[in-house]
Amino acid sequence: EPEVTQTPSHQVTQMGQEVILRCVPISNHLYFYWYRQILGQKVEFLVSFYNNEISEKSEIFDDQFSVERPDGSNFTLKIRSTKLEDSAMYFCASSPRSYGYTFGSGTRLTVV
Amino acid sequence: ILNVEQSPQSLHVQEGDSTNFTCSFPSSNFYALHWYRWETAKSPEALFVMTLNGDEKKKGRISATLNTKEGYSYLYIKGSQPEDSATYLCAFTSGAGSYQLTFGKGTKLSVIP
Repeated sequence: EPEVTQTPSHQVTQMGQEVILRCVPISNHLYFYWYRQILGQKVEFLVSFYNNEISEKSEIFDDQFSVERPDGSNFTLKIRSTKLEDSAMYFCASSPRSYGYTFGSGTRLTVV
Repeated sequence: ILNVEQSPQSLHVQEGDSTNFTCSFPSSNFYALHWYRWETAKSPEALFVMTLNGDEKKKGRISATLNTKEGYSYLYIKGSQPEDSATYLCAFTSGAGSYQLTFGKGTKLSVIP
């Protein structure tokens, strides 16, 4: 069964450093998403991406965040200058249409 | 602000027991209700996507119902097994020009052998 692949599974970074979280969505999917879950809280929407541009973003997705689909297969989330409160599990997802998500297994980001 | 609530937060049942949990969501601007099963260190696995009021869906021993008029969905597990132990997440999509998922906090189910 096709999978969404995320790397790395766990990343530790120092506060103020840039991090790039990587995702390989399912190849024939058209919509791509990032969500995150801070420990003990709800899974929260960050951003959706369709047709090579951001289609929707939440208040969390400020200027520190950016997304890119650099080569037609990868989908990346960049956090420019990490803060302690960015520590969370980050999930990538893709879907063939506006529903029917497949999630990756997540990257646990720890900012120290 | 859309709010999705799930209850209970956690649940311990004996193997063989049947159980159910609740998801409540805004009843206006409804597009779809999603149920996911999430085991630690794995991807959340889609169980059901429900769109119509009165919908009932079934997958093996797991079933779900939907009431969009009053804004709730139930997930039922019949004859719980230890492998059913997981967090069950529901997520709501509003049709108001947005297809993002708004999640509840989840119900953590532990099935005791």
